[in-house]
Amino acid sequence: GAGVSQSPSNKVTEKGKDVELRCDPISGHTALYWYRQSLGQGLEFLIYFQGNSAPDKSGLPSDRFSAERTGGSVSTLTIQRTQQEDSAVYLCASSLVGGRAPDTQYFGPGTRLTVL
Amino acid sequence: AQSVTQLGSHVSVSEGALVLLRCNYSSSVPPYLFWYVQYPNQGLQLLLKYTTGATLVKGINGFEAEFKKSETSFHLTKPSAHMSDAAEYFCAVTGGGNKLTFGTGTQLKVEL
Repeated sequence: GAGVSQSPSNKVTEKGKDVELRCDPISGHTALYWYRQSLGQGLEFLIYFQGNSAPDKSGLPSDRFSAERTGGSVSTLTIQRTQQEDSAVYLCASSLVGGRAPDTQYFGPGTRLTVL
Repeated sequence: AQSVTQLGSHVSVSEGALVLLRCNYSSSVPPYLFWYVQYPNQGLQLLLKYTTGATLVKGINGFEAEFKKSETSFHLTKPSAHMSDAAEYFCAVTGGGNKLTFGTGTQLKVEL
């Protein structure tokens, strides 16, 4: 079946602009995650959605970052007033259940964001 | 809180030789441990995971890892390296929730 998809695959933007990154999880997966992969920081957790529960935003690096998940499916990660340090690959993952049991997270190919 | 240390950011082996990628973890609760592989310009793919039960875990592509609580380790091994194994490997831990904490990764190079 279809895996996790992300769009765009690449995004180049100018410093100060807002960007939106999209994630389509695997159909039926109730949990959705965003991670960031950068040269300086490695792979970092950003935010986690599970069903209708309030998202875990503990990994968002600043209030310029926000995410939403509409209808329990597609998610959008928004970065406002982008800075050069936001340049990274943004990875989305989904899992079937979410909760205390560690379900396998399936990752998308990522969106490479470059801020000039 | 959890953390992961991967010793060796780059490992080089000959084709057919043993692959050993090291991972040590720190966790204040019983850990769940994962190894992921990332091929160039692709997302992460799960190789194997340890949750509970048998401490020797077998994964895809001939890889396996052993959970050693006394050594707080979860090293990844493969008896015989293949050229197609060249990739970056990430060890990750979670304490029961679903936020993965990743190591910094080990780039595996396989030489003829």
